[in-house]
Amino acid sequence: DQQVKQNSPSLSVQEGRISILNCDYTNSMFDYFLWYKKYPAEGPTFLISISSIKDKNEDGRFTVFLNKSAKHLSLHIVPSQPGDSAVYFCAATSFVSGTYKYIFGTGTRLKVLA
Amino acid sequence: DAEITQSPRHKITETGRQVTLACHQTWNHNNMFWYRQDLGHGLRLIHYSYGVHDTNKGEVSDGYSVSRSNTEDLPLTLESAASSQTSVYFCASSESGTGNTIYFGEGSWLTVV
Repeated sequence: DQQVKQNSPSLSVQEGRISILNCDYTNSMFDYFLWYKKYPAEGPTFLISISSIKDKNEDGRFTVFLNKSAKHLSLHIVPSQPGDSAVYFCAATSFVSGTYKYIFGTGTRLKVLA
Repeated sequence: DAEITQSPRHKITETGRQVTLACHQTWNHNNMFWYRQDLGHGLRLIHYSYGVHDTNKGEVSDGYSVSRSNTEDLPLTLESAASSQTSVYFCASSESGTGNTIYFGEGSWLTVV
């Protein structure tokens, strides 16, 4: 059972426009969410995160929104740049019984067109 | 700078052979993880450890084992490599507790022929 879902395998956006990447989760115990960016032949790198006590977090061009009632988060990139072309993974964690794990989605490949 | 390194970066092995992928981190993180990345499946958790001598199974642990004899290292062993284990493997680490970022290594590409 996929606890973290990214239903769009790919997304193409014009340079300068907004990119919106979506992620849904099923486990209401998740309390921290992260977005990672991955270039080919490299490891995933941390982009931005949000705690379940917040509904928005910004870092430069990147903003993450969390809608707990809908169990949905999204990553907004404004303005999009060609260097943003990569695979984006969302991840969620929960602290249950003194342990926690990071559960990742299947990823969305973003292509920013010049 | 603190970092997490994996070796080998690329390996080709034969079916049935035992293979060990090394992971070393210098952040002094208690938590370490092994993931595999496959098309259509994203990053799936194989094994994880919350400290020395602690190991736990993830969602795709069959055919894999790990050991944690010190804080810095979490080697991943494929007991008898199978073609289904051809994948990219990523080691990661994080501090203890919730709300912490997980940091990844560069990946190990394994091909089982």
